[in-house]
Amino acid sequence: RKEVEQDPGPFNVPEGATVAFNCTYSNSASQSFFWYRQDCRKEPKLLMSVYSSGNEDGRFTAQLNRASQYISLLIRDSKLSDSATYLCVVKRSSASKIIFGSGTRLSIRP
Amino acid sequence: NAGVTQTPKFQVLKTGQSMTLQCAQDMNHNSMYWYRQDPGMGLRLIYYSASEGTTDKGEVPNGYNVSRLNKREFSLRLESAAPSQTSVYFCASSESPGGGSPQETQYFGPGTRLLVL
Repeated sequence: RKEVEQDPGPFNVPEGATVAFNCTYSNSASQSFFWYRQDCRKEPKLLMSVYSSGNEDGRFTAQLNRASQYISLLIRDSKLSDSATYLCVVKRSSASKIIFGSGTRLSIRP
Repeated sequence: NAGVTQTPKFQVLKTGQSMTLQCAQDMNHNSMYWYRQDPGMGLRLIYYSASEGTTDKGEVPNGYNVSRLNKREFSLRLESAAPSQTSVYFCASSESPGGGSPQETQYFGPGTRLLVL
């Protein structure tokens, strides 16, 4: 079993829809959580950190559930430009324990 | 301000050949990382350097060596390339490797696509 698991998708949703992804992690010692976005054949870029209390950045909302060991990303009013792969990242205390999920592909159709 | 740069962008090697992937950052970051990305596997950490003068193994270090030449530069060397090392290699940097702080945000270079025949 992978330490960080994501549904690979693809999620294919119409513009304007709300879409949500989950990411589960297996190690309870995980301390920091992030969502990165990766466009096709490009480098990953930080979308948002995930805080214990949950956090919002415009149309994006991230949640952390430590009891069930998952994080989620909600995208409201999706835009064509949201089409990308979303990577879940989980980190323990040392830099050597940074684990990337394999990503969830999202495709927004007009 | 270029951020993180990597050279080369593409490379084709024959099995057994050696090469060095170069990475440089101009953000005065302390920590630098090398990842490889394979289909369905996500990014996997090869080596990292928490600060100038230190390097440590990540998840998949076998077949690679690294050098933190100075604060700006972190190179990855394949001494004897194998087909299993065909991948996309990303270099990244962060202000610090600490826990849960904004300084942890990793900034990635554009990647090097390597094919080993």
